Amino acid sequence: AQSVAQPEDQVNVAEGNPLTVKCTYSVSGNPYLFWYVQYPNRGLQFLLKYITGDNLVKGSYGFEAEFNKSQTSFHLKKPSALVSDSALYFCAVRGYNDMRFGAGTRLTVKP
Amino acid sequence: DTGVSQDPRHKITKRGQNVTFRCDPISEHNRLYWYRQTLGQGPEFLTYFQNEAQLEKSRLLSDRFSAERPKGSFSTLEIQRTEQGDSAMYLCASTSTQTQYFGPGTRLLVL
Repeated sequence: AQSVAQPEDQVNVAEGNPLTVKCTYSVSGNPYLFWYVQYPNRGLQFLLKYITGDNLVKGSYGFEAEFNKSQTSFHLKKPSALVSDSALYFCAVRGYNDMRFGAGTRLTVKP
Repeated sequence: DTGVSQDPRHKITKRGQNVTFRCDPISEHNRLYWYRQTLGQGPEFLTYFQNEAQLEKSRLLSDRFSAERPKGSFSTLEIQRTEQGDSAMYLCASTSTQTQYFGPGTRLLVL
């Protein structure tokens, strides 16, 4: 069965520093991987996806993610964090008829 | 704003009452999904429609839950005889490709 794991509940970074939010996946077949962000009392906003092609995927708000098949990872990155990036981040994998989400990682960017 | 709308945004009800939520997807999207999200967790799949046909239901969707998409456009999710354990955020998503676009959610509190 398709699944993702987010090993960190919480990530803290200083504004201006690079950030990484980790995600590993377990799939049969080719993975369709996604990152979403959720602000308080809001739905999920799509950031980026990997379907096929380049391992480095660029998305919204300056975020990017690197697909690594050998490590079964799809970590979310940003070169320079902003305070406004503080939110809950979810990694997801496309299942047969649904989307399977990780438990989420709370990112806090401090000024 | 993703273009997916949900109504109401918040609902407080007493245990045993019935509640109904509505989702209006992006108009050209033929697939519509319902998810439930509890505090500190990622969204969990409930059910999925392709046009007006309900193609899959999660085992999370007990007999008290029913969903419809009568004309292949908007969808409703009804919970009968609500229980305190039904308290959660109910999210709707729509797509015509691989990427699901989420509405803002309906937060349900069962007292």
